[in-house]
Amino acid sequence: DTAVSQTPKYLVTQMGNDKSIKCEQNLGHDTMYWYKQDSKKFLKIMFSYNNKELIINETVPNRFSPKSPDKAHLNLHINSLELGDSAVYFCASSQVPASATQYFGPGTRLTVL
Amino acid sequence: AQKITQTQPGMFVQEKEAVTLDCTYDTSDPSYGLFWYKQPSSGEMIFLIYQGSYDQQNATEGRYSLNFQKARKSANLVISASQLGDSAMYFCAMRRGSNYKLTFGKGTLLTVNP
Repeated sequence: DTAVSQTPKYLVTQMGNDKSIKCEQNLGHDTMYWYKQDSKKFLKIMFSYNNKELIINETVPNRFSPKSPDKAHLNLHINSLELGDSAVYFCASSQVPASATQYFGPGTRLTVL
Repeated sequence: AQKITQTQPGMFVQEKEAVTLDCTYDTSDPSYGLFWYKQPSSGEMIFLIYQGSYDQQNATEGRYSLNFQKARKSANLVISASQLGDSAMYFCAMRRGSNYKLTFGKGTLLTVNP
């Protein structure tokens, strides 16, 4: 039983292309997140949705657009991909309380050539 | 601003020994939570242990325990009886009371030697 799943696991694409990463959670959580892990392994929040409403939007280029069709799904669309977008993108989910653990998906390794 | 510091880029430990991974944090919010995650070479992020700022006792989960020293703003992870499978990157993270996001430290790469 996969708790938080992401597709695809690997994504290799050319600069300038548009791509999407999909995330689904079957934990019944209200809140979902996107994190970016760079080549030095540093993890940083990008976005968060609570019940389909955007609640966190960190300083991320507007080429990145999250979309939450329902509270079990949070997709990430990236326009006009750049070399610097190469990273591992993690989706996560949690319940609302501050003490709630965030459970991460397996990650999507994006490589922009 | 909240900040997490992990001062040990890498640590080595012999199998079956205990190891402590350091984490200090900085926040002015009285309500916060501290988390540790493990990232093996396969890449997934695995939750290990949680400590709330108001918790009276240090958190424990199996071989993992958290040495929480609130006055010093430290939340060190202690792994007892290290196993080869403990070799991984370990991240400390903090979440403030009303804020949903996790702020991560830079991580510590632990290598367990046989």
